[in-house]
Amino acid sequence: GESVGLHLPTLSVQEGDNSIINCAYSNSASDYFIWYKQESGKGPQFIIDIRSNMDKRQGQRVTVLLNKTVKHLSLQIAATQPGDSAVYFCAEDTGNQFYFGTGTSLTVIP
Amino acid sequence: KAGVTQTPRYLIKTRGQQVTLSCSPISGHRSVSWYQQTPGQGLQFLFEYFSETQRNKGNFPGRFSGRQFSNSRSEMNVSTLELGDSALYLCASTRTGTGGGELFFGEGSRLTVL
Repeated sequence: GESVGLHLPTLSVQEGDNSIINCAYSNSASDYFIWYKQESGKGPQFIIDIRSNMDKRQGQRVTVLLNKTVKHLSLQIAATQPGDSAVYFCAEDTGNQFYFGTGTSLTVIP
Repeated sequence: KAGVTQTPRYLIKTRGQQVTLSCSPISGHRSVSWYQQTPGQGLQFLFEYFSETQRNKGNFPGRFSGRQFSNSRSEMNVSTLELGDSALYLCASTRTGTGGGELFFGEGSRLTVL
């Protein structure tokens, strides 16, 4: 959703478990969504995207689910690895501008 | 193919100075957008350029400006730097801008204002 800054939610998972990261977006007219991974000191890295005419899309170890009714996105990471530790945030394309969520900090416990 | 390239990666300036940051988009991408990232505000949109024209602008003061060249490379300039301008400045490119699909980011330019 639109960035409102402030507190960054955190999620800790055991290595090998599945992770689910959630994002609420704000504009019902948004028709394209992206999940990014950002490691410390680096730029955001594109993970997976989904268009509004889909409700699910799978990549390698990642799945994005889109629920347009409640304006909700989720990112599922299967068999989470230590290298998955990072901040994850969603982006919505309103057709005029991209808006970004504040992000969730994922920590993978070995 | 090469990703989005930003220079310089790190820089330190003092209040009142000005700074210019550079961004080379992915080959074939004509839209370049700039974002400011701070811990307190997250990613904030500065402006977007497409075919050398500013197409969208965020809510930043006029001290923040940009331009795009015919080869799609872009620069952003911040004049009369303030302490609050300390941030990671990110450049992103897409083929056609919003509505056009994947938005790819560079590694950013980390600006510290003393």
